Amino acid sequence: DQQVKQNSPSLSVQEGRISILNCDYTNSMFDYFLWYKKYPAEGPTFLISISSIKDKNEDGRFTVFLNKSAKHLSLHIVPSQPGDSAVYFCAASARNTGNQFYFGTGTSLTVIP
Amino acid sequence: GAVVSQHPSWVICKSGTSVKIECRSLDFQATTMFWYRQFPKQSLMLMATSNEGSKATYEQGVEKDKFLINHASLTLSTLTVTSAHPEDSSFYICSAQGDGTANEKLFFGSGTQLSVL
Repeated sequence: DQQVKQNSPSLSVQEGRISILNCDYTNSMFDYFLWYKKYPAEGPTFLISISSIKDKNEDGRFTVFLNKSAKHLSLHIVPSQPGDSAVYFCAASARNTGNQFYFGTGTSLTVIP
Repeated sequence: GAVVSQHPSWVICKSGTSVKIECRSLDFQATTMFWYRQFPKQSLMLMATSNEGSKATYEQGVEKDKFLINHASLTLSTLTVTSAHPEDSSFYICSAQGDGTANEKLFFGSGTQLSVL
């Protein structure tokens, strides 16, 4: 059972525009969420996180929004740059049940110059 | 930031042989390491959690006798795929976590693509 879902396998955005990547989860016990970025033949690298006590976290061009009632989070990248082209994974965990992270299937972002 | 080294990055082996994959935390002590497996176009699936000095905890459906995990030190965990078969061909990736008090992020290795002929 996929507890974390990324329903868009791919996304193409023009350079300079906003990229919005979406993630849905089913487990209401999840209270910590992360986004990872992955280039081909490399391991995922941490991008940004958000705790369930917040609904927004911003770090430079990257902002993560959390809607707990909808069990939905999104990653906004603005302005998008060609170097942002990668696969983005969202992950969720319930810290009171240990640190196991559940990953979505990833969204491949292509930023067109 | 923290660095996790995983090797080999790619291995091809004959059916029936065993393959060992190493995961090292280079600049921090990893009390907990995780092993994941990823099939094409699917998410990272947790296989097992290993804590230094104790037996690994395997996820449901993962054969512990087939996927041997050893976490003998705070900087090294190994995954051995024993008697590999073509269905074991996959992308295996490890991640490491620090002492847990201040570092909740996972740091990933670069992954190992295993192809079993």
